[in-house]
Amino acid sequence: AQTVTQSQPEMSVQEAETVTLSCTYDTSESNYYLFWYKQPPSRQMILVIRQEAYKQQNATENRFSVNFQKAAKSFSLKISDSQLGDTAMYFCAFMTYSGAGSYQLTFGKGTKLSVIP
Amino acid sequence: EAQVTQNPRYLITVTGKKLTVTCSQNMNHEYMSWYRQDPGLGLRQIYYSMNVEVTDKGDVPEGYKVSRKEKRNFPLILESPSPNQTSLYFCASSRQGFYNEKLFFGSGTQLSVL
Repeated sequence: AQTVTQSQPEMSVQEAETVTLSCTYDTSESNYYLFWYKQPPSRQMILVIRQEAYKQQNATENRFSVNFQKAAKSFSLKISDSQLGDTAMYFCAFMTYSGAGSYQLTFGKGTKLSVIP
Repeated sequence: EAQVTQNPRYLITVTGKKLTVTCSQNMNHEYMSWYRQDPGLGLRQIYYSMNVEVTDKGDVPEGYKVSRKEKRNFPLILESPSPNQTSLYFCASSRQGFYNEKLFFGSGTQLSVL
């Protein structure tokens, strides 16, 4: 079974500072995709960033970047220049092939991030 | 506007009374799925569908049914709801169920079973 672990239930960061959210996963598959989703108080799920497991280069999207360590099965999210609008629950997730043409998407339990003015 | 529409947004019901949560997408997506979100547990997949008439169980399918008769619709059915199904439910879709496809989520349905 595949699992995703987010070890930080809650975090806080000062506005304009940098914060890193951790995520580790466990799978026996060699090919998969990793995602970070953001859920603000509006409850809407928003894709922040995604990473292909076969790519060594870390993905970046503006102020968001990842540190992907495949051997360690680690996929942390770094938010630079934190803004008040970054306050949200963040979920790490990964998708892998589960056989017979099916794909399984597994989420972590989430990290609640608060950006303090 | 490309979107996934869930209805209703809020629902309060009683134990044993059958209910259906609807989900519809206007993007001609093949892949659709249902998740439930509970505090401290994150999102857990209930069922998913790779295409019309093709559905499969996720991690927590017990007590739920789904159907995919049309490409755009993927309703979630609770035949006999119980209080442990009180949760926030999300429907999602993507172009295909491939690894890197972005999931589009609905706005969620908060269900309370009394």
